[in-house]
Amino acid sequence: EAGVAQSPRYKIIEKRQSVAFWCNPISGHATLYWYQQILGQGPKLLIQFQNNGVVDDSQLPKDRFSAERLKGVDSTLKIQPAKLEDSAVYLCASSSNRDISYEQYFGPGTRLTVT
Amino acid sequence: AQTVTQSQPEMSVQEAETVTLSCTYDTSENNYYLFWYKQPPSRQMILVIRQEAYKQQNATENRFSVNFQKAAKSFSLKISDSQLGDTAMYFCAFQDQGAQKLVFGQGTRLTINP
Repeated sequence: EAGVAQSPRYKIIEKRQSVAFWCNPISGHATLYWYQQILGQGPKLLIQFQNNGVVDDSQLPKDRFSAERLKGVDSTLKIQPAKLEDSAVYLCASSSNRDISYEQYFGPGTRLTVT
Repeated sequence: AQTVTQSQPEMSVQEAETVTLSCTYDTSENNYYLFWYKQPPSRQMILVIRQEAYKQQNATENRFSVNFQKAAKSFSLKISDSQLGDTAMYFCAFQDQGAQKLVFGQGTRLTINP
């Protein structure tokens, strides 16, 4: 079974530029999560999708961040315009509704550096 | 809101020794899950062990075991016979049974020395 795929692995941009990250969850997983992990901290949930609907986006800075999950499969996370404090690792995870504990499987992450 | 606290930013032990990582959490919920994740330099989050709050028995996975104290809201991880490959960041995480999202602690950087 293929794991969660993310691209790119690394991205360097200047502040005020825009950037997009892509995530492909494990096949059949209905729930998809985007986490932001700032250096030296634990991951923080940005947005959670159930199929293609948003379940929780309470911590998503909506003035600059947006996310979508077309057809309930792949997802993209966009930042426009980027700020220096957006430098972080962006982790995508997915889980199955058939797992009672909703165990999450993580991708390798995208490391974003904003200069 | 739930919070998770890991009070040990860094730990270091010799290979083959036993090490215990601490975690406390705060919640008003009765049904939830607790996890320990390992994050090596590759950044991939790997599940180490899981504990259901309704189970009194502490979870074990080979060399990894937990000490779950529900009343004290404590969830420590014990690694026995530590190996060089155990070197990584370790995160404690809380999951509300209804919310599904994970709330992570700040992490403990564990180094196993040869």
